[in-house]
Amino acid sequence: AQKITQTQPGMFVQEKEAVTLDCTYDTSDQSYGLFWYKQPSSGEMIFLIYQGSYDEQNATEGRYSLNFQKARKSANLVISASQLGDSAMYFCAMRERVKAAGNKLTFGGGTRVLVKP
Amino acid sequence: NAGVTQTPKFRILKIGQSMTLQCTQDMNHNYMYWYRQDPGMGLKLIYYSVGAGITDKGEVPNGYNVSRSTTEDFPLRLELAAPSQTSVYFCASSYGPPTNEKLFFGSGTQLSVL
Repeated sequence: AQKITQTQPGMFVQEKEAVTLDCTYDTSDQSYGLFWYKQPSSGEMIFLIYQGSYDEQNATEGRYSLNFQKARKSANLVISASQLGDSAMYFCAMRERVKAAGNKLTFGGGTRVLVKP
Repeated sequence: NAGVTQTPKFRILKIGQSMTLQCTQDMNHNYMYWYRQDPGMGLKLIYYSVGAGITDKGEVPNGYNVSRSTTEDFPLRLELAAPSQTSVYFCASSYGPPTNEKLFFGSGTQLSVL
């Protein structure tokens, strides 16, 4: 069984500073994918970044980077140069290796980020 | 681009009533999913489908039913609504199963059962 843990229920960050959101996971699969999604107050889910379990380089997408430490089973999201629009809930999620059918994404409990001006 | 469309956006049900949450996507995606999000929590998978005519249970399927008669549509049926089903429901889709395939989400349906 999978498990995704986000230990930080909420965080404040000063505008223009960087913030790291923690995510640890538990899986016995060798092939898996890790995702981060952003959910602003409007409620929609916005894909931010993806890291494959076999990817040797840490994923980056603009101001988002994923600090992937496979041995520690952690996939922390780093947001650089925080902006007021970054205030939102952030979810870490893992997709397990596809079996006969199915493509299931398991989500962590989320971290609420509030960017202060 | 429409993407994933969910209707209704809001609904209030009385205990014991039934309803169908509609979801349609215009991206020709094979995979579709229903998630629920309880207040302050992450998303939990209710049901998913890997193609027309094929559905399977997720983590929390009790009290729900789905069907997938076409590639585009994946309705979620609530029978005998209970207060525990008060939640925000998200429909999502993806083209296929590769592990790097991101999900496209609808805007959600906020359901209250009173």
